[in-house]
Amino acid sequence: EIELTQSPGTLSLSPGERATFSCRASQTVTNSYLAWYQQKSGQAPRLLIYAASRRASGIPDRFSGSGSGTDFTLTITRVEPEDFAVFYCQQSDGSTFTFGQGTRLEIK
Amino acid sequence: VRLQESGPGLVKPSETLSLTCTVSGGAVNSGSYYWSWIRQSPGKGLEWLGYVYYDESTTYNPSLKSRVTISLDASKNQFSLKLTSVTAADTAVYFCARLNWNSWHFDLWGRDTLVTVSS
Repeated sequence: EIELTQSPGTLSLSPGERATFSCRASQTVTNSYLAWYQQKSGQAPRLLIYAASRRASGIPDRFSGSGSGTDFTLTITRVEPEDFAVFYCQQSDGSTFTFGQGTRLEIK
Repeated sequence: VRLQESGPGLVKPSETLSLTCTVSGGAVNSGSYYWSWIRQSPGKGLEWLGYVYYDESTTYNPSLKSRVTISLDASKNQFSLKLTSVTAADTAVYFCARLNWNSWHFDLWGRDTLVTVSS
């Protein structure tokens, strides 16, 4: 089973700043099938990015994903007040699915 | 398309947890997606439990395989989760989700339902 390690655990930023989230896999992620989700308190996760770099429908272009192999990054170019939440990465080869432990984006 | 979970919020230890997800605005038997269950607890984070396809084929998380059954009822446009022999460790928020096989990501989630295992 591929393990995903996210860093940092908490990111403290002010609105307007750039946010960078890291997700590192214990093995190569098949076909870069890596997704990113945002979860606000009391809500279900929302898909942001799939296949490492493709934005999901309705997601603002300030969100972008990159990476391949074992190292992946989610970037928010300018953090908006509504972006503060917990962010998770997820990978799959079609028969197993694993999530990272999450990075909390908090207001500085 | 919307997903809505339903089922008991309290289950006794050693009993079976049963949840249903009702899909509105789309057909579970269209073959375009898989249908999945995921849970979230403070101790284990987000954990995928398994998925079912329109032909009723299933794939489960190996760590729970012996206790999990996911089934589909096309006549009601629903899919369901059964988890047997529950313990306090199965206390979690449970989500149903639509699984997109084009790069294997969960593109739509239900609201969630908290299930507590306690006597």
